[in-house]
Amino acid sequence: GDSVTQMEGPVTLSEEAFLTINCTYTATGYPSLFWYVQYPGEGLQLLLKATKADDKGSNKGFEATYRKETTSFHLEKGSVQVSDSAVYFCALNLAYSGAGSYQLTFGKGTKLSVIP
Amino acid sequence: DGGITQSPKYLFRKEGQNVTLSCEQNLNHDAMYWYRQDPGQGLRLIYYSQIVNDFQKGDIAEGYSVSREKKESFPLTVTSAQKNPTAFYLCASSISGGQGETQYFGPGTRLLVL
Repeated sequence: GDSVTQMEGPVTLSEEAFLTINCTYTATGYPSLFWYVQYPGEGLQLLLKATKADDKGSNKGFEATYRKETTSFHLEKGSVQVSDSAVYFCALNLAYSGAGSYQLTFGKGTKLSVIP
Repeated sequence: DGGITQSPKYLFRKEGQNVTLSCEQNLNHDAMYWYRQDPGQGLRLIYYSQIVNDFQKGDIAEGYSVSREKKESFPLTVTSAQKNPTAFYLCASSISGGQGETQYFGPGTRLLVL
């Protein structure tokens, strides 16, 4: 079945460091890809998404490019801030033939801590 | 402000008891979802509904039940058959349940067993 693998955490960075969180997926078709962020004790918020190959999603300085050839959607940010400390989830969304359902399949999450 | 509300924030369940988690949205979305989050496990889909009076089982539906009598509401009941209910429960909605749609999440309910 469809699956998402993202790098294990926790990741600890100093403020203004470069961030990469790796995400790769397995899917039988052409999924849409998402990054969600979860701050402590809260629900998830969409960070960015891409719906087709070579699309780049971006928001709040974060970027990710949908790479079909490597089945990847790595999250990057050039200069992290303390306020970026959160758990980041990669997810994919794909219709199953005949089922009409569009489920989100999530990775296990990567916890990021940014220290001043 | 449009959004999704979940209540209560914390819920305690005694052994053998059924408990119901509330989820309400005022986004006029047709599709609604329930997820369970365990530490280090990511989110897993319990149930989803794409239209009023219809819902489908997700990956871990055993021990849970739902109803969808109104577009705005999608309550989740954790039954006594769910032997390990301690988790963080998240409700979400999207416009129609189509591929590529953003799902909007509520703040979550943390369920603890006494």
